[in-house]
Amino acid sequence: DIQMTQSPSSLSASVGDRVTITCRASQSISSYLNWYQQKPGKAPKLLIYAASSLQSGVPSRFSGSGSGTDFTLTISSLQPEDFATYYCQQSYSTPIFTFGPGTKVDIK
Amino acid sequence: QVQLQQWGAGLLKPSETLSLTCAVYGGSFSGYYWSWIRQPPGKGLEWIGEINHSGSTNYNPSLKSRVTISVDTSKNQFSLKLSSVTAADTAVYYCARVTGRGIWGYYYYGMDVWGQGTTVTVSS
Repeated sequence: DIQMTQSPSSLSASVGDRVTITCRASQSISSYLNWYQQKPGKAPKLLIYAASSLQSGVPSRFSGSGSGTDFTLTISSLQPEDFATYYCQQSYSTPIFTFGPGTKVDIK
Repeated sequence: QVQLQQWGAGLLKPSETLSLTCAVYGGSFSGYYWSWIRQPPGKGLEWIGEINHSGSTNYNPSLKSRVTISVDTSKNQFSLKLSSVTAADTAVYYCARVTGRGIWGYYYYGMDVWGQGTTVTVSS
C-alpha cells in the first residue's frame, strides 16, 4: 500500500505570506499527485492535479511541484480565504486513492 | 454545471446497515467513475470505493467486505451501503465525481465535483 505523509501538520501564517506544504509518498508515484483544499464544514475542493496542473478556476497563487516521492504545494501570497486544511492524494495506484493526513493553515 | 446531491439516514445503531444515495444533476453520468469518501470527526479523508455507469466497481480493500456501491442509470444516481456498522464508521460521507485528464498520453485522476456531505453517527 502507498502511504502519504504531510508536513507540517499545521502552520500559522499571515496574509501575504508565502506558504509551502510538503507531501511525501512511501514509494514513487511519478506525478500522480493531487492537492485539495477543505474549509470547515465543507467538502474538499480540487486545486492541483498531476502534481502541477492547476484545476480550472483556481487562483494562480496556488502552484504544485515535485515528482517521484516528494511534492510541494505553494501559496505565493496567502489570502484570507486560503485559511483551510490542505490534503494531498495519490492516484498512482488508481483505482485505489490514498489521502495524506492534512495540513491546517491558520491565522498567525 | 454538474452538481451532486446526497442523502440518507444520519443516525444508526451498531450492526445496522448504512445507506446513502447521491444524485447527479446537470451533466453527463456516463464516462466517469463516481466515488464515496468519508471523514471521521476531526480526522482525514478515506476513499471508500467507486462505480461507473455500467456498474463496474472498485473498493478500498480495508472496507471491501462490508461495502456495496450500486448505480441507477435511469435516475443518474449511485448508492452506498455499508453493513455491520460500528462507532468507528461515524463520519461525514461524501460522494464525488472522478475525472481523468490526459497529459502526454497519461491519464491523471482526481475528484473534481463533490456532494455536500452527510453526517452519519453510529451510536447505541
